[in-house]
Amino acid sequence: EPEVTQTPSHQVTQMGQEVILRCVPISNHLYFYWYRQILGQKVEFLVSFYNNEISEKSEIFDDQFSVERPDGSNFTLKIRSTKLEDSAMYFCASSETEATYNQPQHFGDGTRLSIL
Amino acid sequence: DAKTTQPNSMESNEEEPVHLPCNHSTISGTDYIHWYRQLPSQGPEYVIHGLTSNVNNRMASLAIAEDRKSSTLILHRATLRDAAVYYCILRDTGAGSYQLTFGKGTKLSVIP
Repeated sequence: EPEVTQTPSHQVTQMGQEVILRCVPISNHLYFYWYRQILGQKVEFLVSFYNNEISEKSEIFDDQFSVERPDGSNFTLKIRSTKLEDSAMYFCASSETEATYNQPQHFGDGTRLSIL
Repeated sequence: DAKTTQPNSMESNEEEPVHLPCNHSTISGTDYIHWYRQLPSQGPEYVIHGLTSNVNNRMASLAIAEDRKSSTLILHRATLRDAAVYYCILRDTGAGSYQLTFGKGTKLSVIP
């Protein structure tokens, strides 16, 4: 069964540094998402992306965050200047041709980001 | 998305059926009921969804109350691999938003 893959599985970064988290969505999917989960807390939506532009973003997704689909397969989340509070598990997800209420989102296993 | 209420935790014996409840008393006519689960150290995983009628798939069954104010996810025979946090999520067809709004979910423990 096709799956969403995320790399690296664990990223350790110094505060203030830039970090890029990478995701390879399922190949025929057109809608892409990032979520995060701080340890012991809920999974929170960050951003959705379709047709090379952001379609929706949460309050968490401020100017320090950006997303990109640099080629036909990768989807990346960049944090420009990391803060301690950015430490979390980051999940990438994708869904099929239409991001309707009926389409399940398929999640990767996440990247654990640790900010020192 | 409308609010859902789930028990914080439940236990089940292995190989027995499990009924995971969800209350959504403020559900609107355009809300679909979705269930996801999150196994330890993994991302959320889609389980099932429905609107009004009961639904079955290879993973589980979804029983929806006639007034739609509650639903139950049924695992017919719990295995150790079913130990996870289960999330009941309402998705509004008219909201124009594709994000999933996760609550705290129900942590299911399966006893061997």
